[in-house]
Amino acid sequence: AQSVTQPDIHITVSEGASLELRCNYSYGATPYLFWYVQSPGQGLQLLLKYFSGDTLVQGIKGFEAEFKRSQSSFNLRKPSVHWSDAAEYFCAVGALGSGYSTLTFGKGTMLLVSP
Amino acid sequence: DAMVIQNPRYQVTQFGKPVTLSCSQTLNHNVMYWYQQKSSQAPKLLFHYYDKDFNNEADTPDNFQSRRPNTSFCFLDIRSPGLGDAAMYLCATSASRASYEQYFGPGTRLTVT
Repeated sequence: AQSVTQPDIHITVSEGASLELRCNYSYGATPYLFWYVQSPGQGLQLLLKYFSGDTLVQGIKGFEAEFKRSQSSFNLRKPSVHWSDAAEYFCAVGALGSGYSTLTFGKGTMLLVSP
Repeated sequence: DAMVIQNPRYQVTQFGKPVTLSCSQTLNHNVMYWYQQKSSQAPKLLFHYYDKDFNNEADTPDNFQSRRPNTSFCFLDIRSPGLGDAAMYLCATSASRASYEQYFGPGTRLTVT
């Protein structure tokens, strides 16, 4: 069965500093990988996705992520964090089982932005 | 704009009193999902519909039911809410059964008193 590990529960970054959120996955086949962001009291918004091709993918709000098969990782990065980026970030892996696709989410990383 | 809408955004119910949460979508997607998300946890899939074909996750309690009267609407019924059912309930859609990309609504925050 597939699984996702986000090793950092909380991360605090100064505004304007760079950000990297870690994600490791376990899946037997080619993974479909996603990063979602959730602001307090809100639903999940898709930041970016990786299906195939270029291993560096660009998303919305200036985020990017790099797929590294050898490390089973899909880390999220942003060169300069804004206060509005404070939110919870979920990494997810898509899998096809029993004839339909599902998403398995990590437990999330809460990003705090300090002034 | 095409979207996923959930009503109400906040719902308070009493212990044991049935409650229904609503989801609608203008994306014309075939698949609709219901997730439960407790505080500081990952969303947990409860069940999903592919068109009218209902798929229940193995560990979803019988207390949770769902209805999908048409493509646009899907309901989550909690027959006898317990304190442990207090959570955010997220509705999501995807275009097809093999489509991994899911579009989420804003969620309904359920409080059980």
